[in-house]
Amino acid sequence: KQEVTQIPAALSVPEGENLVLNCSFTDSAIYNLQWFRQDPGKGLTSLLLIQSSQREQTSGRLNASLDKSSGRSTLYIAASQPGDSATYLCAVGAGYALNFGKGTSLLVTP
Amino acid sequence: NAGVTQTPKFQVLKTGQSMTLQCAQDMNHEYMSWYRQDPGMGLRLIHYSVGAGITDQGEVPNGYNVSRSTTEDFPLRLLSAAPSQTSVYFCASRPRDRGRDEQFFGPGTRLTVL
Repeated sequence: KQEVTQIPAALSVPEGENLVLNCSFTDSAIYNLQWFRQDPGKGLTSLLLIQSSQREQTSGRLNASLDKSSGRSTLYIAASQPGDSATYLCAVGAGYALNFGKGTSLLVTP
Repeated sequence: NAGVTQTPKFQVLKTGQSMTLQCAQDMNHEYMSWYRQDPGMGLRLIHYSVGAGITDQGEVPNGYNVSRSTTEDFPLRLLSAAPSQTSVYFCASRPRDRGRDEQFFGPGTRLTVL
């Protein structure tokens, strides 16, 4: 069974810092990896999707990388802002649905 | 496009009651799925469908039924609610084609079973 782990579970940084969220998975036979953002009491918003043949994807201040052979992905957030405060979820796709990590709760303080 | 919509947003049930959580998408996606999210457990797959008339079980299917009569709709039925089914339920959809398989989620239904 695919196991997805996210480290750290929680992170607090001052505004303006660059930060890295980590995701690891146990089975490298994946189709893709997707990063989501979830605000308290809300649904999941897709941030970035990386196909298994790709090494990274970028969207604005976000950059996600994928190393399938080592079972790792990172989400890099540049110049963090208080509005980035949320829970970030990593999910691995290997068929019809996704296997999720438990998330990293990010707080960016002014 | 409305994307993925779910109703109701909130629901309180008594043990033993039945109800249907509604999910609809207007993106013509072939794949749809239901997840539940519990504190400390992450999101877990309940049931999924790869097209109209085709459904299958996920990781935690017990106590839930699904059907898919149209591409757009994928309702989740609780036949006899139990307190263990208190959770937040998310519906998701994605295209079938590899390379376009980004998953989109609905806003969720928060269910409490007393």
